[in-house]
Amino acid sequence: EVELVESGGGLVQPGRSLRLSCVASGINFHAYAMHWVRHAPGRGLEWVSGINRNSGSMGYADSVKGRFTISRDNAKSSLYLEMNSLRLEDTASYYCAKETGAYFYGSQSHGMDVWGRGTTVIVSS
Amino acid sequence: QSVLTQPPSASGTPGQRVTISCSGSRPNIGLNVVSWFLHVPGAAPKLLIYGTSQRPSGVPDRFSGSKSGTSASLAISGLQSEDEADYYCATWDDSLNGWVFGGGTKVTVL
Repeated sequence: EVELVESGGGLVQPGRSLRLSCVASGINFHAYAMHWVRHAPGRGLEWVSGINRNSGSMGYADSVKGRFTISRDNAKSSLYLEMNSLRLEDTASYYCAKETGAYFYGSQSHGMDVWGRGTTVIVSS
Repeated sequence: QSVLTQPPSASGTPGQRVTISCSGSRPNIGLNVVSWFLHVPGAAPKLLIYGTSQRPSGVPDRFSGSKSGTSASLAISGLQSEDEADYYCATWDDSLNGWVFGGGTKVTVL
């Protein structure tokens, strides 16, 4: 069974950092691009970041560019999101999602077909 | 304000057909394929449609997707009570260089 399990969420003060992790099982993790998507209270889904299968290309939403860093370790079937300079508006459930193919962008990207249950980040003083 | 525009709500009685629209522009829907997701807050989102009109295995054929120009739509036929959820369209945006989601449509089964 394909499964993605996120961890690392919690309560953090504005300006501090947090690192999210996502461990995959039941898939050839190295073959697929991956995404982070978040859902803030009272708002819709928002794409945060994506990374190609070999870490050759990464992308970020403008709202997190320069503050968040996505990375992966294919040997550990793991995806990460390093979040720095956290803001109140970063409060959300963060989901790890598998891309249908090797690329997270453009016409070669068809969507996120497997999702984790999410980890919650609360930024508050 | 979302890049992709969806109606905030839609409803129908059991067995009815409901259609959800998703309006975008050339850099997103106009040039790329569209995905549709079902999300019950607190649970993992679920892919319903990818590649504009393809259903993943396990998704009933009651769900169908289409696109015309810069707009896409999701149709749910034979509406069931378990279809109550938030539905989102999404696609890659060549100008923003990122994925964009619609604001979501809450479907209610009356």
